[in-house]
Amino acid sequence: GENVEQHPSTLSVQEGDSAVIKCTYSDSASNYFPWYKQELGKRPQLIIDIRSNVGEKKDQRIAVTLNKTAKHFSLHITETQPEDSAVYFCVAKGGTYKYIFGTGTRLKVLA
Amino acid sequence: KAGVTQTPRYLIKTRGQQVTLSCSPISGHRSVSWYQQTPGQGLQFLFEYFSETQRNKGNFPGRFSGRQFSNSRSEMNVSTLELGDSALYLCASSFRGGSTDTQYFGPGTRLTVL
Repeated sequence: GENVEQHPSTLSVQEGDSAVIKCTYSDSASNYFPWYKQELGKRPQLIIDIRSNVGEKKDQRIAVTLNKTAKHFSLHITETQPEDSAVYFCVAKGGTYKYIFGTGTRLKVLA
Repeated sequence: KAGVTQTPRYLIKTRGQQVTLSCSPISGHRSVSWYQQTPGQGLQFLFEYFSETQRNKGNFPGRFSGRQFSNSRSEMNVSTLELGDSALYLCASSFRGGSTDTQYFGPGTRLTVL
């Protein structure tokens, strides 16, 4: 069935360092890959997304890369700040009408 | 535009009872999806509605059901509650639920089953 693997499950970085979260999806029909950030007690918020006709997208300190051949996509956060601490979810969406979420990565940015 | 809203925000029920949760999508959005979020299982897809029709369903028992009204508001119902149903229930809306439509989440309803 449809599946998205996400690694690592937890990630601790020093403030100012970079963080990378990786996901692998199974459904070759997937063509939309959003990333959500969920702070404690809050709703998931979209932070960046990428469509299958694009290999990379950047928005200030956040970038996402997509390798459709390998069915991999990654989130890169540079110059991390304490407010980046949250749980991050990758998502793959394809021909069906449902989002398939990764299991989440708890990012801790240490001051 | 106002965001996705959910009511109630918190709910405490006992085993065997039933519960109804409500979701109002962003104005103009016609697709509403529901998710169950638990610490151990992450975000699990329950079902998706578009124009009052269920288009897709996740792997949950028949005790979980939903519906959508003509104004796109949606409700989900859980009957015969079990302890394991304790979770945060999130709904999300998008314009049409199309393959590249972005979903926007509501604040969730935290259900506790005692």
